[in-house]
Amino acid sequence: QSVLTQPPSVSGAPGQRVTISCTGSSSNIGAGYDVHWYQQLPGTAPKLLIYDNSDRPSGVPDRFSGSKSATSASLAIAGLQAEDEADYYCQSYDRSLSAVVFGGGTKLTVL
Amino acid sequence: EVQLVESGGGFVQPGGSLRLSCAASGFTFSNYAMTWVRQAPGKGLEWVSVISSDGVNTYYAASVKGRFTFSRDNSKNTLYLQMNSLRAEDTATYYCARDPRWLQNFDYWGQGSPVTVSS
Repeated sequence: QSVLTQPPSVSGAPGQRVTISCTGSSSNIGAGYDVHWYQQLPGTAPKLLIYDNSDRPSGVPDRFSGSKSATSASLAIAGLQAEDEADYYCQSYDRSLSAVVFGGGTKLTVL
Repeated sequence: EVQLVESGGGFVQPGGSLRLSCAASGFTFSNYAMTWVRQAPGKGLEWVSVISSDGVNTYYAASVKGRFTFSRDNSKNTLYLQMNSLRAEDTATYYCARDPRWLQNFDYWGQGSPVTVSS
């Protein structure tokens, strides 16, 4: 059971917009710790997609956006493309565990 | 170009030991904290350990504390993860990653080194 809760899967057609939620608690996201998102393409290492809730590293398309509110965060992907099909993970810090925590991951399927 | 290359993974019996290495290039290695994250087959990501830029401070996940030791050699731009008393549940691909702001986001990852613990 992951400390951060994500839906196991989401799907959308090319061109559509999808969102992936990440729900935490008062000891992590609700405590003010930032949320970061990673994309893991099949058979590859994770790649930083969003940091500090809503910032994009250089090279990440602006189709990807993030937001945070209270004890949760969301990743939105607009204009879905076939190459977006991947696993997505949220990550934060938990002060009760004194550890970095990840969500369980969400598999995005592009229909 | 930032590059992180892990090595040393393999097959080991329960109770055994293994040492992973991670060779870094493309950035000033001694300026950055570094971290290990693992991923069991078909499962999600799990943070394992972090080391400060000078190697003085290390922290571990509860699941590996007392069994794993994280160290670095800044003269060789290399990280080491010594894994002792290995268990079946340690079976995973181990990734090293750059940790630019101490346990916040991890901005560059290696390709991973698989470890299998089985009898």
